[in-house]
Amino acid sequence: NAGVMQNPRHLVRRRGQEARLRCSPMKGHSHVYWYRQLPEEGLKFMVYLQKENIIDESGMPKERFSAEFPKEGPSILRIQQVVRGDSAAYFCASSPPGLAGGEQFFGPGTRLTVL
Amino acid sequence: DQQVKQNSPSLSVQEGRISILNCDYTNSMFDYFLWYKKYPAEGPTFLISISSIKDKNEDGRFTVFLNKSAKHLSLHIVPSQPGDSAVYFCAASGSGSARQLTFGSGTQLTVLP
Repeated sequence: NAGVMQNPRHLVRRRGQEARLRCSPMKGHSHVYWYRQLPEEGLKFMVYLQKENIIDESGMPKERFSAEFPKEGPSILRIQQVVRGDSAAYFCASSPPGLAGGEQFFGPGTRLTVL
Repeated sequence: DQQVKQNSPSLSVQEGRISILNCDYTNSMFDYFLWYKKYPAEGPTFLISISSIKDKNEDGRFTVFLNKSAKHLSLHIVPSQPGDSAVYFCAASGSGSARQLTFGSGTQLTVLP
């Protein structure tokens, strides 16, 4: 049973370009979460999605960031017009349907560098 | 405002001794607490969790203690092994739709051979 897959593992963009980060959850998991880790900090929640629905996006910056989890295919975190401050590690996690509080399984992360 | 705090950025312990990592939280609505271990350039790996209705949970060398009145939890690793050297994150979540994890800033554990 493959774990959470993220690609690309490393992404370099110039200021003003778009970044697309992909996440395939574990088989049987219908809940996806995105977190961001800035250097020397802990992980910060960004958005929680279920298939075709955004459940909680309270951690998402109001502009330039969007996320989706379509009926078919991976979840996508999209950052438009990237700036240097977007440089970070972006982690996706998934969990099965069921009670809250269960563990979340993390992918290896995408390291975004904005030049 | 940090709702989950790990006040020790680093900890060094001799192999075979006990490692104690601490975590404090401020939000009394948290229902579940989890510990994750993270190596460089990898995603966090789940270690152990505890529900707010319990005060202790044990899994092999890892034990988590929860003191609700003090809003404090700790992870005990005994005996510590060099392979335990990593960054340890404490995390908390609520119930219902509040499933997102709120993380502390992490503690770098170094186990010396």
